[in-house]
Amino acid sequence: QIQLVQSGPELKKPGESVKISCKASGYTFTDYAMHWVKQAPGKGLKWMGWINTYTGKPTYADDFKGRFVFSLEASASTANLQISNLKNEDTATYFCAREDSSWAYWGQGTLVTVSS
Amino acid sequence: DVVLTQTPVSLLISLGGQASISCRSSQSLVHSNGNTYLHWYLQKPGQSPQLLIYQVSNRFSGIPDRFSGSGSGTDFTLKISRVEPEDLGVYYCLQRTHNPLTFGSGTKLEIK
Repeated sequence: QIQLVQSGPELKKPGESVKISCKASGYTFTDYAMHWVKQAPGKGLKWMGWINTYTGKPTYADDFKGRFVFSLEASASTANLQISNLKNEDTATYFCAREDSSWAYWGQGTLVTVSS
Repeated sequence: DVVLTQTPVSLLISLGGQASISCRSSQSLVHSNGNTYLHWYLQKPGQSPQLLIYQVSNRFSGIPDRFSGSGSGTDFTLKISRVEPEDLGVYYCLQRTHNPLTFGSGTKLEIK
């Protein structure tokens, strides 16, 4: 069955970097793009952008240009999200989600806590 | 950016009752290919969003027929009939017709 399994929670200090992974299984990884979604504590969902898993080309929403990088390890069917120069407002759960007609498949989420 | 306005913000429904959630868009969600990419999700506490309805009215696999979606253009509705305890959580609409993709602000369903 189709699964997206994300890496575990992270506790970081302001100014540090973090890399979150999203490992896909149950389908051909390069057939479907991967999206990233942010959810701050107690808040709603915000789309961050997506990566073409065939070409590796990322596309970022305006609020996520600069410190955010989407990347792939295609041989491992894994999409990654790296956030540099972490700020308190980056504290959130980050989800990966597979692009298809239904947008049904999401990872379980990775909580990133930024605190000094 | 497309703004999705969800109402109400919260709902208190008795078991077995009916709930209706509105999602209104600031512009038409009809894509140039004729499809309307408006989806509905339920996010239960501590979980990732689970798809209920895709493209306005198509129930996802395994979703009971108590859930139904309708609407067109800029005005969409999710109806939940015979509310059960497992229906509690926050409901979100998502549009992916226009870039950037946007979500509604959510409707919290609580059970009386």
